[in-house]
Amino acid sequence: DVKVTQSSRYLVKRTGEKVFLECVQDMDHENMFWYRQDPGLGLRLIYFSYDVKMKEKGDIPEGYSVSREKKERFSLILESASTNQTSMYLCASSFLLSGRGWEQFFGPGTRLTVL
Amino acid sequence: AQSVAQPEDQVNVAEGNPLTVKCTYSVSGNPYLFWYVQYPNRGLQFLLKYITGDNLVKGSYGFEAEFNKSQTSFHLKKPSALVSDSALYFCAVRDSKGRGSTLGRLYFGRGTQLTVWP
Repeated sequence: DVKVTQSSRYLVKRTGEKVFLECVQDMDHENMFWYRQDPGLGLRLIYFSYDVKMKEKGDIPEGYSVSREKKERFSLILESASTNQTSMYLCASSFLLSGRGWEQFFGPGTRLTVL
Repeated sequence: AQSVAQPEDQVNVAEGNPLTVKCTYSVSGNPYLFWYVQYPNRGLQFLLKYITGDNLVKGSYGFEAEFNKSQTSFHLKKPSALVSDSALYFCAVRDSKGRGSTLGRLYFGRGTQLTVWP
């Protein structure tokens, strides 16, 4: 089974702190994604990556950055956390090529609270 | 541009009755369509997908979905609902014309909360 793990299930940080959210997948997927999920807004894509050291902005990249130094690991960074970044953060991964399927596999999520 | 609409925020159904969760999509090429389920405080779980072929797709936990190209719809269905089916359901689409760095990106609907009451 595909396994996507996220470093924390719950996280509480203070305004202005630098926050790292880590995601690791074990299926040799090329693509990795970071979403945030808020009630009534569904899933919104923050950033994604299709290869090591490559990144693409999603729909709401402001206030976030990412890092992908190894194929299996994709980090989301909040440079200076703000209260409006309180949310559920979901990581996902998938294959790049059509023949291997494009369904994304999700981690359990990190519920971040910024005080 | 690709988009997905889930016209109902909530669907309520009695246990044992059939259920339908609606999804319509917009893409420029042929659509690749997906359904996911999310239980409270969990990540999304993949249920089923349509890529090509038979318009009726069967997936996990007894769910199925019907692809209708003329109506640009991909409704999720189950013949007999269970209380344990209560969850948040997301429809997603990928455009077959996507290329380059956007390969693999999915566009999600806002989700439909399904409640099955005993």
